Amino acid sequence: QVQLVQSGAEVKKPGASVKVSCKVSGYTLTELSMHWVRQAPGKGLEWMGGFDPEDGETIYAQKFQGRVTMTEDTSTDTAYMELSSLRSEDTAVYYCATMVMDYWGQGTLVTVSS
Amino acid sequence: DVVMTQSPLSLPVTLGQPASISCRSSQSLVYSDGNTYLNWFQQRPGQSPRRLIYKVSNRDSGVPDRFSGSGSGTDFTLKISRVEAEDVGVYYCMQGTHWPRATFGQGTKLEIK
Repeated sequence: QVQLVQSGAEVKKPGASVKVSCKVSGYTLTELSMHWVRQAPGKGLEWMGGFDPEDGETIYAQKFQGRVTMTEDTSTDTAYMELSSLRSEDTAVYYCATMVMDYWGQGTLVTVSS
Repeated sequence: DVVMTQSPLSLPVTLGQPASISCRSSQSLVYSDGNTYLNWFQQRPGQSPRRLIYKVSNRDSGVPDRFSGSGSGTDFTLKISRVEAEDVGVYYCMQGTHWPRATFGQGTKLEIK
């Protein structure tokens, strides 16, 4: 059984960066392709990007290009999503999920406020 | 990008009655391998999304058989045969055909009348 456990809530000021982690257990990270989805308060789900195993590259939604970086540490089976130049509109719950979206993390609330 | 359009956006249902949610895509979701990668998710209040249906009509493990998915091409439907109290939440369709760029529908909020 795959489990994805994310890091805790964060409060950041506008212009700062945030890095959210997603620890995998039950499988190794190399067996999965991690993706990230966010959900602003009261809003729907928004795909941010993820690893494409066919090309061996990480693909980002155009909206986040240049501001987001998704990385993996296979030695600890942990995936990371870093979002920079934060603004108030980035306040959201950030989820990691497997590529086919059959397993999700519990979500990490990131609040951007001055 | 592929646009996913759900209707209705709000769905009040009486307990024990059926419910149906429509999802339409702006492009065909038939992939070159012949499969159609259309998923349905349930998000209960305060919880992470949970996948219910994959490839149009396949129920995930543990999903009650009152949930069913159907459709083809650009037109898909999620049906609940008899709504129960635990079904309250928001339902999303998602296309995985034009991968790796996933696209979600806006969500349909199911509530009990």
